[in-house]
Amino acid sequence: DADVTQTPRNRITKTGKRIMLECSQTKGHDRMYWYRQDPGLGLRLIYYSFDVKDINKGEISDGYSVSRQAQAKFSLSLESAIPNQTALYFCATSDLAGREQYFGPGTRLTVT
Amino acid sequence: AQSVTQLDSQVPVFEEAPVELRCNYSSSVSVYLFWYVQYPNQGLQLLLKYLSGSTLVESINGFEAEFNKSQTSFHLRKPSVHISDTAEYFCAVYSFSGNTPLVFGKGTRLSVIA
Repeated sequence: DADVTQTPRNRITKTGKRIMLECSQTKGHDRMYWYRQDPGLGLRLIYYSFDVKDINKGEISDGYSVSRQAQAKFSLSLESAIPNQTALYFCATSDLAGREQYFGPGTRLTVT
Repeated sequence: AQSVTQLDSQVPVFEEAPVELRCNYSSSVSVYLFWYVQYPNQGLQLLLKYLSGSTLVESINGFEAEFNKSQTSFHLRKPSVHISDTAEYFCAVYSFSGNTPLVFGKGTRLSVIA
C-alpha cells in the first residue's frame, strides 16, 4: 500500500460548491503539507502542519482551509470553489527534520 | 528567505544525448538540496539529494548532481538520456534557518526525442 494516499483522485465540481480533499499517511510523520500544481508555476504551498495542534498558512492560502484530524490525516477544503482553483493538488509528509518530503499521487480538481 | 530558480522551463534533447538541467538557489544559511521527478500523470518522487559529505550525488538511473556552494548551484546531469527520462524535474531547497518547508523551483520539462 502507498505511504501517502489522497482521495478523491479526480473530482469535477461546480462553482460555489464546498469540497474537501483528504490525505492520509502511514509513515508516522508529524509534518504534512498541501500544494497545488499549475502548468508553468511549479508547486505552490497552500498550508502546512508540523503537528496536530500546529497549522500554518503557505504562499497561497486564500480560499482554502485545512483540518488536521490526527497525526495521519490532513484535509484541505475549498469553502466555495471557483474556476481558478482548477489544478492538481498534492499532499506531502516529512519527518521532524523536515528534509525529504514524500508525496501522494495527487488529486485532479476541475471547477466548472 | 530561500528561493530556487530553475533556469529552463523546457529542455528538448535527442535520445542518447547528454543533458543538464540547471538549478540555482538563494539562502543565507546552510541548505539541503533535492531533485524530484514527476513522470506523466504521476506524483513527485525523490530523484536524489544532497545533505552533507560528497558534493557529487547520484541516482540509481544514471543522473547526478553537484552541489556548488560558491555558485549556489545544484545542476542535474545525465550523460546519455533515454525516452523514459521524459518528465518534469523539480529542484528544491531546505534551509537550516528554521521550521520552514521545502521551497521548490518552477520545474523543468525534459522531453527526450527519438
